[in-house]
Formats: sequence, C-alpha cells, structure tokens
Amino acid sequence: DAGVIQSPRHEVTEMGQEVTLRCKPISGHDYLFWYRQTMMRGLELLIYFNNNVPIDDSGMPEDRFSAKMPNASFSTLKIQPSEPRDSAVYFCASSAYRGLGNTIYFGEGSWLTVV
Amino acid sequence: AQKITQTQPGMFVQEKEAVTLDCTYDTSDPSYGLFWYKQPSSGEMIFLIYQGSYDQQNATEGRYSLNFQKARKSANLVISASQLGDSAMYFCAMREGQEGGGADGLTFGKGTHLIIQP
Repeated sequence: DAGVIQSPRHEVTEMGQEVTLRCKPISGHDYLFWYRQTMMRGLELLIYFNNNVPIDDSGMPEDRFSAKMPNASFSTLKIQPSEPRDSAVYFCASSAYRGLGNTIYFGEGSWLTVV
Repeated sequence: AQKITQTQPGMFVQEKEAVTLDCTYDTSDPSYGLFWYKQPSSGEMIFLIYQGSYDQQNATEGRYSLNFQKARKSANLVISASQLGDSAMYFCAMREGQEGGGADGLTFGKGTHLIIQP
C-alpha cells in the first residue's frame, strides 16, 4: 500500500519566493496533518484537517503560511513570501479515524532551505 | 511546561545490548495515548509502538516494548537485542483525550539520538 506521498523532497529557494509543498495522504484516511521539524523547536503541529476541513490552525506561525485541502487526496502548504527562518523539514501525515490509539503515518518529509 | 520530556539527548550502546529510552509526560487528562516513533538518518518518521492510558498490560511489538508506569507518568521504550540498524532518533509523543480538550494531533518530545556501536 502506498504511504503518505510528499513533494518535493528537497527544495532550495531564495528569500521572498513562494514555496508550495504538496501531499497525498493514505487513501481512506480522514485526517491530514502538517508538521514542521527544526533543531530548535523539534516537531510542531502546524495545522490539521478532518474530511478536508481545517480543524486547528493554531500552530501556523504567521500569515505567510497557508494550507488547503481541496479534496480527500491532496493538500498543499504554501509559504509566501519565504524567509530563511522557514528552513525546516515539513512533514505531512495522515490517520484513519479519531481516537486515542489512532496511529499517525508520516510522509518522508520535504526538506526546505531558504537562502 | 513541556508535555513530553526526553532527558537523554544522546546514547551510545553496544550492539546486542538492551536499550531503554526515557520518556515522561505531563497531562491531567485521565485518557491519553502514548506513541514512539523512530527517525533514521534518511528522515522518515516510523511508528513503533502505542500504549493507551487504560491499557492494563505494557505494549510490545517485536523487539520493542513500552515500560508504562502510570503513577510516575513515564513511558520508556525498551529495545531488546539492539542492532546496528536501530541507530536513529527516537521520539516519544502523546495524544490527550477529548475530555480534556485534547487535539487529534500528537505532541512530540525533543527526541533521543541512539547510536549502536559494533
């Protein structure tokens, strides 16, 4: 079975440019999460969706960040304009249902460098 | 206050020895779930094991077991007979129950970098 698929795997961009990260969750999963990982802050939840609807975006750092999920099989995380401090690994993850024991499955991550 | 604390930034262990990675957590919710993930140098996050707060027995998955001590609020990961391929970052994570307003996502600790030496 295909896991969570993210693209691009690596991106280097210049400060001020727009960055779009893409994610395809596991088929049949109702929840989609975007996490960011940095050395300083570790893994942080940015936003998550249930059935394509954003539920909690309190982790989104600022208005430069936006996320959409137009359908059950696709989500984007956009940064506009990008800044060097946005350099991080961005993970998309999905899970099947709500519940304590519900496992979240991660993609391989998108490694973003803003220079 | 940190919800998940992993006090060992790094550990060196001889191959074939057992390893215990520490994790303590902080919640007032009686209902919660605890997870461990492995992140090898390639970067992906791999789910290892889950323990629910109401589970009577410690969770086990192959060479992985979770030493759950509820009163101490600790959920240590034990890896038996370590292998070179176990070298990775290990993250403890928690999901709090909905009664306490817990979200659907996981809160992660800072991780422990485990290095298995031959």
